[in-house]
Order: sequence, then structure tokens, then C-alpha cells
Amino acid sequence: DGGITQSPKYLFRKEGQNVTLSCEQNLNHDAMYWYRQDPGQGLRLIYYSQIVNDFQKGDIAEGYSVSREKKESFPLTVTSAQKNPTAFYLCASSSTGRRSNQPQHFGDGTRLSIL
Amino acid sequence: AQKITQTQPGMFVQEKEAVTLDCTYDTSDPSYGLFWYKQPSSGEMIFLIYQGSYDQQNATEGRYSLNFQKARKSANLVISASQLGDSAMYFCAMREGRLTGGGNKLTFGTGTQLKVEL
Repeated sequence: DGGITQSPKYLFRKEGQNVTLSCEQNLNHDAMYWYRQDPGQGLRLIYYSQIVNDFQKGDIAEGYSVSREKKESFPLTVTSAQKNPTAFYLCASSSTGRRSNQPQHFGDGTRLSIL
Repeated sequence: AQKITQTQPGMFVQEKEAVTLDCTYDTSDPSYGLFWYKQPSSGEMIFLIYQGSYDQQNATEGRYSLNFQKARKSANLVISASQLGDSAMYFCAMREGRLTGGGNKLTFGTGTQLKVEL
């Protein structure tokens, strides 16, 4: 079945450590996105990519980095510069056709905590 | 200003009753789309329904319908015949058009926690 796979489901980070969250999709979507969700809050956009080898900052990009070397993959690195990384991270993908009714499809998320 | 506002942090509804979840939005772009997603306690985001700014009729998908009032900039989700499995967080989101550089990005509201009771 087509879908989005995020791993790991739970991740723990030590102070000063970088960690990378994986996101893979087999939906043949051009666009991919990373969101952060804090308890009781909505989703905030960290980074997005509309095509391979290109990505743009979202609303809260500081302390994060991404790469888009393959269409299927959009890993997110939470760097030590991100002082409050504890959150639920969701990856999504969508087509980029002219039809604006195409929804974003989401993975099951990764919960990141500080040790 | 908030682009998407959901003013109900929590709602209760009895099983088999209908419930309306409010969403208002703010954009200067004439072309936009509105989405509703459901997030159960397990965390995944499930797409429910879509309404385009130029759509003449309110969107419907099974037990979900969207009460779209363009002049009031509101896009309320109506769930008919509520079921226990409808208990979840519900998010309204907007995709703006090219005028505001929206591309394919979504802006989310803060969500409404719905609890369906027996």
C-alpha cells in the first residue's frame, strides 16, 4: 500500500546532540513537508520541499535542517541549536498539480524527547 | 492576525447527535482551499473533507459536511450521527493561492478536541 513511513516512532536526544528523523513516501508525490506539534497546539511548518534538491524554510526553521536528495525521502535533522526540541513531528507529502483540492497525506509521526 | 481560528478548545456531543466544529479564516487571496483533518489520540492526521473558494456547493463526504459561508469567512465542519470513534482532535487548515505565495503549504488552526459520549 502507498503511504508515508516515519521512523523512529519515539526518539530521545541528549543535550548537545543532533538527531535525524526519517520520512519516506511511496506515493510518487513531488512535495514533502515537516511539521512540529506541541501539546494542545496545531501544526507549525518547519521546512517544505516542492521538488528534489530544493527546499524552503517554513515558519519555525531555526535549529532544524533538511535535505531532499531523492523524491521519496525528506529527512529532518534536529540540531543542538534547537533549544526546545521536545515535540511531536509529522511528515507529510502532496502532489503539486494544478488541482488545489489535493490533500496532504501524513505519516504516523515521531515523538522526540530530551533526556 | 491568525489565518485560521478555531474558538472551541473542547466540545462534547452525545452519540448519534450532530455536532458543528467552528472554523474562521483570514486571507486576501481570492483562490484558496480549506481542509479538515482528524487526529485520534494515536497521532496520525486523517484527511476528512475539502472546500475550494470557488466551489458553489458545500462539500460533503459521508457523515461529514462543510458549512461554507464565504462572506463570513467561515468553514464549519458538521458531523452527523456522531459515533464513539469520532472522539479526536479536529483541525481546520487553509491553502492559499498564488497571490499570497501559498503554493501547497497549509496553515493549521489550534484544533478542537471532540468527545463523543454515550
